[in-house]
Amino acid sequence: EIVLTQSPGTLSLSPGETATLSCRASQSVSSSYLAWYQQKPGQAPRLLIYAASSRATGIPDRFSGSGSGTDFTLTISRLEPEDFAVYYCQQYVNSQYTFGQGTKVEIK
Amino acid sequence: QLQLQESGPGLVKPSETLSLTCTVSGGSISSNSYYWGWIRQPPGKGLEWIGSIYYSGTTYYNASLNSRVTISVDTSKNQFSLKLRSVTAADTAVYYCARARRGSQGFDYWGQGTLVAVSS
Repeated sequence: EIVLTQSPGTLSLSPGETATLSCRASQSVSSSYLAWYQQKPGQAPRLLIYAASSRATGIPDRFSGSGSGTDFTLTISRLEPEDFAVYYCQQYVNSQYTFGQGTKVEIK
Repeated sequence: QLQLQESGPGLVKPSETLSLTCTVSGGSISSNSYYWGWIRQPPGKGLEWIGSIYYSGTTYYNASLNSRVTISVDTSKNQFSLKLRSVTAADTAVYYCARARRGSQGFDYWGQGTLVAVSS
């Protein structure tokens, strides 16, 4: 099983700042199968990024994804109040999905 | 607009079987472009993929749950279902159904989730 480790656990930032979230895989992951989600309290996750760097429909361009192999990054530029949430990375390989444990982006 | 809706009991007794159904509206479950999956989230914790199914009936299960899980599809009703056997308190979670696009495998549509508690 591929384990995804996200860091940091919590990121305390102010609106307008840039958030950089890391997702590290225990084995190499195809970039085609690396996704990022946002989850707010009481809501289902929302797909932000798929194939490591492609924005899902309706996602603002302040969200960007990058990386390859075992290291992937989600960058949120110019944080808006609605961006404070928990973010998960997810991979798919050999018919198995795994999620990272999440990074909480909180208001400083 | 595609919508997914989970339904089923909110309370299950230990050692019994948890059964949930996901009804898909606004699109066909028989499309060859998508997989349909179940994901769960224990209170205050992260996401865990349970398993996925293709409209043809091909299934993929989380290896850690494989012995207790069955996912099935009913294309005539545009539904797919989850059965989790021999549940314990550790199976208490919000259960989501979701759609994954073939080729990218990101879950792009989700149900609102349903809380299932395991308790006597």
